[in-house]
Amino acid sequence: NAGVTQTPKFRVLKTGQSMTLLCAQDMNHEYMYWYRQDPGMGLRLIHYSVGEGTTAKGEVPDGYNVSRLKKQNFLLGLESAAPSQTSVYFCASSYSPGNTDTQYFGPGTRLTVL
Amino acid sequence: KQEVTQIPAALSVPEGENLVLNCSFTDSAIYNLQWFRQDPGKGLTSLLLIQSSQREQTSGRLNASLDKSSGRSTLYIAASQPGDSATYLCAVPDSGGYQKVTFGIGTKLQVIP
Repeated sequence: NAGVTQTPKFRVLKTGQSMTLLCAQDMNHEYMYWYRQDPGMGLRLIHYSVGEGTTAKGEVPDGYNVSRLKKQNFLLGLESAAPSQTSVYFCASSYSPGNTDTQYFGPGTRLTVL
Repeated sequence: KQEVTQIPAALSVPEGENLVLNCSFTDSAIYNLQWFRQDPGKGLTSLLLIQSSQREQTSGRLNASLDKSSGRSTLYIAASQPGDSATYLCAVPDSGGYQKVTFGIGTKLQVIP
């Protein structure tokens, strides 16, 4: 049981480049989330999904897009990276809504945008 | 808007000491409160989840309490060990059915052998 996995672990981009972060979970969870963590700030919700084929905006969605084509996968895309998107990105999943249930986190992706 | 504050931001204690980490929140209409542990360069691991109807939750050497009326929670760690060194975060859901969970910035704990 791998839990929640994220790829890649590290990435360096130049301003304007695009990339996709992949999150996979093997716990058959309906709910999945993308957060970013920045120094001096708590985790902030970017986008979330309440089931296969659904996505919704979180607290800081601008500059990001997501897709949930398969229940086990949740993709986070950056179409045109900006230095302000330098951060550590975490994916999480839960069986029930995240505001009522434990969220299980992946190990994170450290992204640097030059 | 829910706001979560954790004090202190950092704490250094000798091995074996009992310690208390604090978390305060502004909106007391919460479903639950969670405590997480984060090791350097790693993701978050859930330690304890306290439902709004509970006052305490225990797991091994960890005990978390919740006082909704005062907007406070504490995480008590008994007989601290060097392996407890990590950042501890509390997280509180926003009321109103939205998926959002507000995380504190955390308390960075160092247990000195």
